[in-house]
Amino acid sequence: AQKITQTQPGMFVQEKEAVTLDCTYDTSDPSYGLFWYKQPSSGEMIFLIYQGSYDQQNATEGRYSLNFQKARKSANLVISASQLGDSAMYFCAMREGGANSKLTFGKGITLSVRP
Amino acid sequence: DGGITQSPKYLFRKEGQNVTLSCEQNLNHDAMYWYRQDPGQGLRLIYYSQIVNDFQKGDIAEGYSVSREKKESFPLTVTSAQKNPTAFYLCASRRDGGSKTQYFGPGTRLLVL
Repeated sequence: AQKITQTQPGMFVQEKEAVTLDCTYDTSDPSYGLFWYKQPSSGEMIFLIYQGSYDQQNATEGRYSLNFQKARKSANLVISASQLGDSAMYFCAMREGGANSKLTFGKGITLSVRP
Repeated sequence: DGGITQSPKYLFRKEGQNVTLSCEQNLNHDAMYWYRQDPGQGLRLIYYSQIVNDFQKGDIAEGYSVSREKKESFPLTVTSAQKNPTAFYLCASRRDGGSKTQYFGPGTRLLVL
């Protein structure tokens, strides 16, 4: 079974509107971390936001927030007030407990922001 | 500025040739990672190192080798045994403690001639 699932086809959003990018995960480890990265066309992976499995509140970083629903094993990224520069691939990733802290990535979602 | 650098940006490999991708970080992170990305796919782990002079295989280590002689450097060699090396290669280092977030370099695109 896939550990990280991102199934949305390419997403489109109008500039200045909000958009939600879906991510579901699968783990039996009680201690884990969830990450979102942005990959623009240049290729670099840019860290956006982190949510720990024991965190009581949803993470927020500027225009990014993470809608963490632990019982449903979902960790959706919400981007508010979309900007043209938000057009990119977005990857959800999970780190399970353990010292090596390996990340498992989903296949990503393409977001296009329309002017 | 603190960060991760990778060189070269583009690399061309001939049949039967070994090539080495450079990764350097000045973030003082102990752990470093190499990932491979194929078109339209997520990242897959090749090798990782949690400390100098130690490294472990990831999920797709066959045809690759690494060394970790200095904390700042984690070069990846793509050997002739790797039959399908064309891909985008990303190096990362991991923040110690807390979220253990991994931060990435700009990547190297490897093409086979």
